[in-house]
Amino acid sequence: QVQLQQWGAGLVKPSETLSLTCTVSGGSFSGYYWGWIRQPPGKGLEWVGEINHSGDTNYSPSLESRVTMSVDTSRNQMSLKLTSVTAADTAVYYCARVRNNYGIAVALRDWGQGTLVTVSS
Amino acid sequence: DIQMTQSPSTLSASVGDRVTITCRASQSVSSWLAWYQQKPGKAPSVLIYKASSLESGVPSRFSGSGSGTEFTLTINSLQPDDVATYYCQQYSTSLGTFGQGTKVEV
Repeated sequence: QVQLQQWGAGLVKPSETLSLTCTVSGGSFSGYYWGWIRQPPGKGLEWVGEINHSGDTNYSPSLESRVTMSVDTSRNQMSLKLTSVTAADTAVYYCARVRNNYGIAVALRDWGQGTLVTVSS
Repeated sequence: DIQMTQSPSTLSASVGDRVTITCRASQSVSSWLAWYQQKPGKAPSVLIYKASSLESGVPSRFSGSGSGTEFTLTINSLQPDDVATYYCQQYSTSLGTFGQGTKVEV
């Protein structure tokens, strides 16, 4: 069973950059797409974007201008950077496996534990 | 973008009741529809995939139906442990959109 472990700063100042990393263990990293999904407090689930082991990305149009995702296949890791954050970016951020090894979107069975990122001065 | 609309937003029922949640897609997603249960402080977990397939380990009181644009999640004989928020998600496209959620109270 694949496991996703995520970490990063829980408090970020407005206008600064949010950074999170997710490590995949117990299964293959290559060949899959991995994504970030966020959830503002008390609200629903929102996509941030996805990336595969080759670095091909697909970002949410509403965040595309501020998002960068990257991978480090030697460490089975993917990372998220979100620039120029505001209070509206305060959310629990989850990493998840989002496509199978045929590149087809799947139901989201494998999730990280979630990281609450608060944007505040 | 495909929009997913869930109803109701909140549902209050009694233990043993049959509960139904509806999810409508703005265009056909075939059967590429999943239902998730989320409890406070936890990541969502899959209940149903491909519209009507029960995920391994999920109690059989949960069932899903529908195709195209109309889907339902049914909980037969609601249990106290079913208190949670339920989300539908279409995955016919990349970055498959979620419904806004249905909070189930007992």
